[in-house]
Formats: sequence, C-alpha cells, structure tokens
Amino acid sequence: RKEVEQDPGPFNVPEGATVAFNCTYSNSASQSFFWYRQDCRKEPKLLMSVYSSGNEDGRFTAQLNRASQYISLLIRDSKLSDSATYLCVVNSPGNTPLVFGKGTRLSVIA
Amino acid sequence: DGGITQSPKYLFRKEGQNVTLSCEQNLNHDAMYWYRQDPGQGLRLIYYSQIVNDFQKGDIAEGYSVSREKKESFPLTVTSAQKNPTAFYLCASKASGRALTGELFFGEGSRLTVL
Repeated sequence: RKEVEQDPGPFNVPEGATVAFNCTYSNSASQSFFWYRQDCRKEPKLLMSVYSSGNEDGRFTAQLNRASQYISLLIRDSKLSDSATYLCVVNSPGNTPLVFGKGTRLSVIA
Repeated sequence: DGGITQSPKYLFRKEGQNVTLSCEQNLNHDAMYWYRQDPGQGLRLIYYSQIVNDFQKGDIAEGYSVSREKKESFPLTVTSAQKNPTAFYLCASKASGRALTGELFFGEGSRLTVL
C-alpha cells in the first residue's frame, strides 16, 4: 500500500459546484497533515494545514479522520481560479521528510 | 524579500553531460530538499539535508549528487549516470522545529531537458 494515496481525477465540475477530495495514508503514527495546491508548471504552495478538529478557511474545509486514516478537502462554490492540482501531504513522526500524494487534478468549467 | 531561488529555470543538456542545478534560500531554514516531478506524477524525493554538512538519500537518489557546505545553498548535480533526467526539479526548504506546521517553501523549479 502506498504511503499517501489520492484519486488522480481529473474532477471536472461547473462553477459554483461543491467538490470533495479524499486522501488516505498508511502510517498510523502520522502526526500532521496538509493540503498543497499546484498550478500547471508551477511550484506547490501550502493551501492549508489539517487539524484534528477540522478547520475551515473561506470556501475550503479540511477534515481528518484518524480512525480511518484519511483526510479530506471540501471546496464550496468552486471558482475558475480553483482549477489546479491538489496535493495531500503527510508528516510522520521524527525528522522524516514530508510525504506527498500524487495529487488530484481539478478543472472548474464555466 | 525572503525566499528560495532556483537557477536556471530552463536547461538543455546533451546526453552524457553532468549539470548542476542551483538552490539558494535566505529564509534561515535548516532543512532543504530536492524533488523531481514528471508529467502527471507526484513529487519524488531525491536528496534532503537537515543541517549543514549532512545530507541523506531520498527515494530516487541514483544518478544524482548534492552538497551542503553552506546553510543557504543546496546544489543538485544530475550526473550522466541518471538514465532519464528530463524532468521538473523542485527545491524546497523548511525551518527546523516547525514540523507541525509543515510548510515547505518551494523555489520556482528548474526544467531540465536532455537532448
């Protein structure tokens, strides 16, 4: 089983739609979780961290389910500018590098 | 402005040549990383360094070499032993003690094409 798995998509949704991505991780000792956004041919940038209690930032909501070892990202009222690849990132204990999923591609269509 | 600078942005190389990609950061970060990204693929870790004068292999270190003589600099050499070097290379850094925030700061990347 891969360390971090994501549905690659693409997810093609109309403007205004609500879309959700899931990501599963294999290491139950993982401590911190993040969503990064990567635009085409650009570097990834941190979108949001994922906290145990769940957290919201405007139209974006991230949730963590430790029992089932998955995290989710919900985007409400999708905009054209949300079109990008969303990378799930997990940090295991100790001084180990972050582990990236392969990303889920989102295309928001007018 | 603080950040990470990678150069060159685009690089063309003939087969059999070694090339070195530069990565410089002025964020005072201890940890630095090199990733490779192929089309439609995620980031794969090549090498990383948690502190000056020390570095570790990542998942795909074969055919690559690095050095960390200064905190600010973490150059990557793509050697002729790398069988398929054409890719997008990303350098990143992270402050130590910020494991829980986990924010990696990336450079803009270097796109290497082998002719």
